[in-house]
Amino acid sequence: GAGVSQSPRYKVAKRGQDVALRCDPISGHVSLFWYQQALGQGPEFLTYFQNEAQLDKSGLPSDRFFAERPEGSVSTLKIQRTQQEDSAVYLCASSLDPTGNTIYFGEGSWLTVV
Amino acid sequence: DQQVKQNSPSLSVQEGRISILNCDYTNSMFDYFLWYKKYPAEGPTFLISISSIKDKNEDGRFTVFLNKSAKHLSLHIVPSQPGDSAVYFCAAPIGGYALNFGKGTSLLVTP
Repeated sequence: GAGVSQSPRYKVAKRGQDVALRCDPISGHVSLFWYQQALGQGPEFLTYFQNEAQLDKSGLPSDRFFAERPEGSVSTLKIQRTQQEDSAVYLCASSLDPTGNTIYFGEGSWLTVV
Repeated sequence: DQQVKQNSPSLSVQEGRISILNCDYTNSMFDYFLWYKKYPAEGPTFLISISSIKDKNEDGRFTVFLNKSAKHLSLHIVPSQPGDSAVYFCAAPIGGYALNFGKGTSLLVTP
């Protein structure tokens, strides 16, 4: 498809389990973003890549969160030793440039930690 | 610390009437604002934006007003349609790329 694709769409993890969330950005988009949206909240910035370089990871909530984009295309957000407070929708977005009005969001990966 | 605030979690409007969604911000360095629309189980989609050098931007049925002295912006939808029922987020970029979102306002347009 032409849009940002995320997988899995839904993930239930037991507390303490590691999870990996995948994002396929729109082809040719150099910028890639991860956001976390908790229930009843707006999306919160996690991290930003320009090609394979992670330029900003200031929003990652703890060192259990790790993101990579090794070849400048597909990105993976990994959460180690998941906790209940990690339950949220994880949104990936991509853009040709970083300006807000050209950012395209995926449908999100819904993570529930039980 | 919430720098973009949407204080109304929900709004119900009759079809054909005007919907007004409000947003306040605290960071005077913000110079660009965006509104996103989000349907259930979908990602946010860009709706309309406004630069701080303007006080109004219009796109079809959607108009955004910016009052910098009050640090307030509003999104007007007129006439409202049932398909406008969605969650609307106000956002402002920090550092040129990281979007700071409000908590959203859920709009219901009733026939």
